[in-house]
Amino acid sequence: QSALTQPRSVSGSPGQSVTISCTGASSDVGGYNYVSWYQQYPGKAPKLMIYDVSKRPSGVPDRFSGSKSGNTASLTISGLQAEDEADYYCCSYAGSYTWVFGGGTKLTVL
Amino acid sequence: EVQLVQSGAEVKKPGESLKISCKGSGYSFTSCWIGWVRQMPGKGLEWMGIIYPDDSDTRYSPSFQGQVTISADKSISTAYLQWSSLKASDTAMYFCAKSDSSGTYYDYWGQGTLVTVSS
Repeated sequence: QSALTQPRSVSGSPGQSVTISCTGASSDVGGYNYVSWYQQYPGKAPKLMIYDVSKRPSGVPDRFSGSKSGNTASLTISGLQAEDEADYYCCSYAGSYTWVFGGGTKLTVL
Repeated sequence: EVQLVQSGAEVKKPGESLKISCKGSGYSFTSCWIGWVRQMPGKGLEWMGIIYPDDSDTRYSPSFQGQVTISADKSISTAYLQWSSLKASDTAMYFCAKSDSSGTYYDYWGQGTLVTVSS
């Protein structure tokens, strides 16, 4: 069960859009529509941003969206704001009631 | 209001045992899986395992199988993560998180418990 692959860092200017990829395998990302994304500020607990590939919990701005194609899921943040600067992690169901996280991506707002 | 409240920070020596806790409130504790997640200093999130408190069905990541034990006491709405013999490499922040009723994602998280293992 290997960690999902995310870029270590991405950056964008305020108002721009950024996309964070999350690549797995047919045994996890590609095999189930159970990819979730979490935002984490330093020293804080993670916060759910996207679940079941593309659904947003109430309270999460619609600037955040998720998608999946094959073994790769993506998180897109449009209209980038300074407060979006954080670490982002994808997580996928991997069968038999086990899950796997991605390595995390540091988003810098320039 | 849904809350997961974890026990406080711990400082232990190598070889010692430890049990940390995660108390749920504001929802049906027996109806949602509780997961444990490790975050080593400066590193990413690692999924360790989960438990279904109603029947204590437990699943582990292969990386953590045999290294830790996950348990729950549904009478007091509390889940546990324990070690029988700590190593310096167990130094990390540990989060508990509850799944939604469908079990496909983690919607609420505890504040984290920092475990430091040092001689």
